This record gives sequence, C-alpha cells and structure tokens, in this order.
Amino acid sequence: EVHLVESGGGLVQPGGSLRLSCVVSGFSLSDYWMHWVRQAPGKGLAWVSRVSSDGTNIIYAESVKGRFTISRDNAKNALYLEMSNMRVDDTAVYYCARDREQGWIDPWGQGTLVTVSS
Amino acid sequence: EIVLTQSPGTLSLSPGERATLSCRASQSVRNNYLAWYQQKPGQAPKILISAASRRATGIPDRFSGSGSGTDFTLTISRLEPEDVAVYYCHQYESLPPTFGQGTKVEIK
Repeated sequence: EVHLVESGGGLVQPGGSLRLSCVVSGFSLSDYWMHWVRQAPGKGLAWVSRVSSDGTNIIYAESVKGRFTISRDNAKNALYLEMSNMRVDDTAVYYCARDREQGWIDPWGQGTLVTVSS
Repeated sequence: EIVLTQSPGTLSLSPGERATLSCRASQSVRNNYLAWYQQKPGQAPKILISAASRRATGIPDRFSGSGSGTDFTLTISRLEPEDVAVYYCHQYESLPPTFGQGTKVEIK
C-alpha cells in the first residue's frame, strides 16, 4: 500500500526557517515526480513546488520562490522542503503528494501543520 | 497563470439529488488536463477524476466529469451522506499548476 508521511511542522517565528520531510513507502520514489501543496487554515489548496524524479527539474510558486527549496533523496525514499525567511502567510498544512502521468496528483500525505507567528 | 473559478461556493442538497459543480478556466486547458479532488473534513484531498472525465480507481460511478476548453463539470448523480466534502478542480496543463477555490457540498 502506498503511504506518504510528512513531518517537521511546528511553530516558527517570522523570518525563521523550517525543514519538512516526507517519507514514502509502497512505491519507489525514484520513479515519480513529486509535489508540495499547502492549505492555509480554512482556505483552499495552493500548489507550492514540484521536482522531477531525478531532482534536476524544479519549479516553484511565485509566492515562495527564493525562500523555499525542494529536494529529494531517492535512496532514502524521502522528499524535503526547506523553508527560510518565513512569513505569517506561510502558515498552512503542507502536503507532499505524488505526481501521476501528465501532472495530476495522487495520493497525498496526511499533511504537517506549519505555524508562523511571533 | 490559469485561474480556475468554481461555482457555486456552497451546494446544499438532499440525499439522492443530483449535484452539478462547475469549474471555469481563464484560458483553455489543452488536452483536458483537468482533475477533480474530494476533501472531507480533517482529511487530505483524494483524486476523483483526471483528464476531465477519467474516474480514478475505486471511485463510485455516481461521480462523473465532463467538459473541455474552459468549462468543466463534476456531477454526483445521486448524492449520498458520505459525499459531504469540499471539491476542488485542478489544471495541470500549464505552469504553474493551479486549483480552484473549492465548492462545499452539504446535505440538507
């Protein structure tokens, strides 16, 4: 069975940094592109970043470009999101998710909550 | 970027009724690269439909997707209590990928 488990969320001050991890099981991470998608409290889904299976093709949403870095370690079956210079509006549940075929997303992890507040 | 606008914001129907959810794109979504997700309270989103009309594995046949170009529809033919959720459309044809703001489906 396919599972994606995020960790690393928590409370961070504005301007601070945090690293999220997503460990996958039930499939080989090296075979798939992967996404991070976030959801602010009570709000809709917002795409954050995508990385190719070998880590060489990376794109970001404009709102996080220059502040967030997506990476992966296929040997460890792990996806990461390094967040720096964080802002209050980065507060959200962050989901890692697997890319399918031309870009639809399935499945999603259960999410990890990141709160940016002083 | 392609902006997706979903309507209505909230849909309140009785069990057994037909639910029709709309997703309109600000420009044409080529190849019908449009997906629908269901998010129940406290849960992660789940894929329902990809490529505008292809039902995902294990999804009941009361869920169907249609449309092309800029207008897409998710239909729930006979609403059941477990269908209470927020439904999101998602275009993956052009970068960046974008989501609609969601339609909340309630049971009367």
